[in-house]
Amino acid sequence: GIQVEQSPPDLILQEGANSTLRCNFSDSVNNLQWFHQNPWGQLINLFYIPSGTKQNGRLSATTVATERYSLLYISSSQTTDSGVYFCAVVSGAGSYQLTFGKGTKLSVIP
Amino acid sequence: DVKVTQSSRYLVKRTGEKVFLECVQDMDHENMFWYRQDPGLGLRLIYFSYDVKMKEKGDIPEGYSVSREKKERFSLILESASTNQTSMYLCASRTGVGNTIYFGEGSWLTVV
Repeated sequence: GIQVEQSPPDLILQEGANSTLRCNFSDSVNNLQWFHQNPWGQLINLFYIPSGTKQNGRLSATTVATERYSLLYISSSQTTDSGVYFCAVVSGAGSYQLTFGKGTKLSVIP
Repeated sequence: DVKVTQSSRYLVKRTGEKVFLECVQDMDHENMFWYRQDPGLGLRLIYFSYDVKMKEKGDIPEGYSVSREKKERFSLILESASTNQTSMYLCASRTGVGNTIYFGEGSWLTVV
């Protein structure tokens, strides 16, 4: 099956700093999502982005499907950005299964 | 907003008990999923359902079964709970294959 690798596995930032999280995948995809898991376990949708670029406030994401990677940018980080960021993909025509990366654990310190 | 509701946030059950985890979505989604999440292993798919009464095994179906009698409800059943099923369980739903998937808040299950 498709492999999804995220980097870095851990990231510590000072409040106000910017960061880039990366997601590499081993095959073509027809669905890619970024999630933020808060400290209480809730997975929150950030972006549905199988290709192209999207922005939502301080967050933006870019997926280059032909090169099989996606990037999540966080600007002016805040302590509430802390948590684990997951990339998840669906590969294969008619496939239902969403395959997750292992996540990037972000800690934003004041 | 899409709402996926899991019936129990925290449960403690004894080994051998039958456990039901319920999930309800309010957006008429066709597809529903059950994942478990464990440290170091990430999220793994247990079962999914692409329509009422339809189900497919995911990566780790052993020890679990599911039921989808109504479109809005997808239940995960542990027939005889074991300690290695202690985990966080996440339910999700979406309209169809190319669409955004939405997760519930999660259910923390401890089997003692």
